[in-house]
Amino acid sequence: KNQVEQSPQSLIILEGKNCTLQCNYTVSPFSNLRWYKQDTGRGPVSLTIMTFSENTKSNGRYTATLDADTKQSSLHITASQLSDSASYICVVRENNAGNMLTFGGGTRLMVKP
Amino acid sequence: ETGVTQTPRHLVMGMTNKKSLKCEQHLGHNAMYWYKQSAKKPLELMFVYNFKEQTENNSVPSRFSPECPNSSHLFLHLHTLQPEDSALYLCASSQRQGQENSPLHFGNGTRLTVT
Repeated sequence: KNQVEQSPQSLIILEGKNCTLQCNYTVSPFSNLRWYKQDTGRGPVSLTIMTFSENTKSNGRYTATLDADTKQSSLHITASQLSDSASYICVVRENNAGNMLTFGGGTRLMVKP
Repeated sequence: ETGVTQTPRHLVMGMTNKKSLKCEQHLGHNAMYWYKQSAKKPLELMFVYNFKEQTENNSVPSRFSPECPNSSHLFLHLHTLQPEDSALYLCASSQRQGQENSPLHFGNGTRLTVT
């Protein structure tokens, strides 16, 4: 069964600090992996997509990595801001006729002043 | 704004009520989705419509009934719900179902409480 596991489940950091969120998956065959940010009371919004051939991709203070061999991805947030407080969801797409998505349970990040 | 609008934002209903959730997208997309988000659980796909045709029903109980009159509108009709159906119901759209690099665009959800 395809699974996406995220860690930690929750995280509290001080404003200005860096943090790294982890995503491990068993989805196969692999098409791509996307990170979403979900603010409280809002729907998820796409941050970045990683395809099989990409190792690192940045979007402002967010940097995603992908190791397709070990089936791991990380999302690194640099110089955190209060507005980074949200849930971060890892979603992996299969590479087959259905192109199904498997969602992780998310990491809830709280940035404190 | 996300381009996907859901109403109402909050809904409280009794187990014998009938209500409907509405979703509208202004992105010109051809696929629309209903997801259920419960506390501490991954998003669960409920239904998918691609070019107005239902293509996925993820073993959803019949007390949830979707309707897609056109590519821009999606409804979820609710009747005789159970307390465990309380959750955030998210609507999403994409260019078309299964398009590899196309992200889902989510609405802000309807927070449903069944009493």
